[in-house]
Amino acid sequence: SQQGEEDPQALSIQEGENATMNCSYKTSINNLQWYRQNSGRGLVHLILIRSNEREKHSGRLRVTLDTSKKSSSLLITASRAADTASYFCATDPGGYQKVTFGIGTKLQVIP
Amino acid sequence: KAGVTQTPRYLIKTRGQQVTLSCSPISGHRSVSWYQQTPGQGLQFLFEYFSETQRNKGNFPGRFSGRQFSNSRSEMNVSTLELGDSALYLCASSLDRTVSYEQYFGPGTRLTVT
Repeated sequence: SQQGEEDPQALSIQEGENATMNCSYKTSINNLQWYRQNSGRGLVHLILIRSNEREKHSGRLRVTLDTSKKSSSLLITASRAADTASYFCATDPGGYQKVTFGIGTKLQVIP
Repeated sequence: KAGVTQTPRYLIKTRGQQVTLSCSPISGHRSVSWYQQTPGQGLQFLFEYFSETQRNKGNFPGRFSGRQFSNSRSEMNVSTLELGDSALYLCASSLDRTVSYEQYFGPGTRLTVT
């Protein structure tokens, strides 16, 4: 079963708007990561947030983590057509335990 | 620095056959993980290797196996292929995933079983 579950599963917005994706997970984590995947190709690492952090920024990306609610959100500001992709959260419990990916949010940015 | 490479990129096999997929990690990376991606199940963890040792294994049948060589290159093998094995197989490398966490993914091998 998936550890992380993204919400919504699909999102369509106009270029310039903000996009928010949410991820919920079930067990304790060491860190949570967000990845992007274009058209069934390899995943690209976007941002990592550790369990003792609440918010992190990278360019137009903002990630929040609420360990009490076991949830994270990814905000993409001022979206561009090139942001069209699937976005996945991945939870890492730490140590030798496996990283688990959510089912992803498919984002479409309309020019 | 060259990225993670996977060969072959596309593969068509028949039920009952076996297949071997290869992954070359980024130079200096010692952790290699394999994932199976399907539309219905998303990304499912297969195995993780570090310095030729399997660190963890996902919930897949014994038909799925893997190994890592001394140069960190990794292979995975699927025997007695089934239609349900059709998927994108992704390999990811990192310096040491338990320390640096971030994984770098290859482009994947698209396996179609007919």
